[in-house]
Amino acid sequence: DADVTQTPRNRITKTGKRIMLECSQTKGHDRMYWYRQDPGLGLRLIYYSFDVKDINKGEISDGYSVSRQAQAKFSLSLESAIPNQTALYFCATSPSATYEQYFGPGTRLTVT
Amino acid sequence: GIQVEQSPPDLILQEGANSTLRCNFSDSVNNLQWFHQNPWGQLINLFYIPSGTKQNGRLSATTVATERYSLLYISSSQTTDSGVYFCAVGDASGTYKYIFGTGTRLKVLA
Repeated sequence: DADVTQTPRNRITKTGKRIMLECSQTKGHDRMYWYRQDPGLGLRLIYYSFDVKDINKGEISDGYSVSRQAQAKFSLSLESAIPNQTALYFCATSPSATYEQYFGPGTRLTVT
Repeated sequence: GIQVEQSPPDLILQEGANSTLRCNFSDSVNNLQWFHQNPWGQLINLFYIPSGTKQNGRLSATTVATERYSLLYISSSQTTDSGVYFCAVGDASGTYKYIFGTGTRLKVLA
């Protein structure tokens, strides 16, 4: 089984809809991250969490919110989706000791 | 904030050729990783290499943190090496957030 899983893997939604992307991990890592990738670009950090009670904004947090339900679960919500949020979304985890990041398979989100 | 530049932006190779990809960063870093994004979009960890040299099969990487660059070497390239290679760095301020470069797009021809 994959260590970092994301659901759904693909999603098409309409402008104005609320949508939640979920991430689960079995690696036992404290730190979790959400990134987005736009075509032809690198990844940009949306939010990160160093433990269940610690959540921080990344460089592009506007229009997004997150919830850290447990050490193993970190969800990303788009409260009112807009077309320019169409992107590939990645969840990642890292241990406290080395900060090496491990990525999930990604969620391809299309907002029409 | 820290800037990450990768070169070349695009690279086309014949199968069996060797290549060197470069990652320059503008400030001190405490973390650095190389990733391969395959044509299906998955990000594959290649190396976690904040300093020094590592090798894994046909791939190796070197980071010279004092001179603010890292190199990824691919030897005897195969068509399965095609995709985009990203360098990501974490700055030394203690926040451990990664900044990604814009990648090197590699195509290996059979």
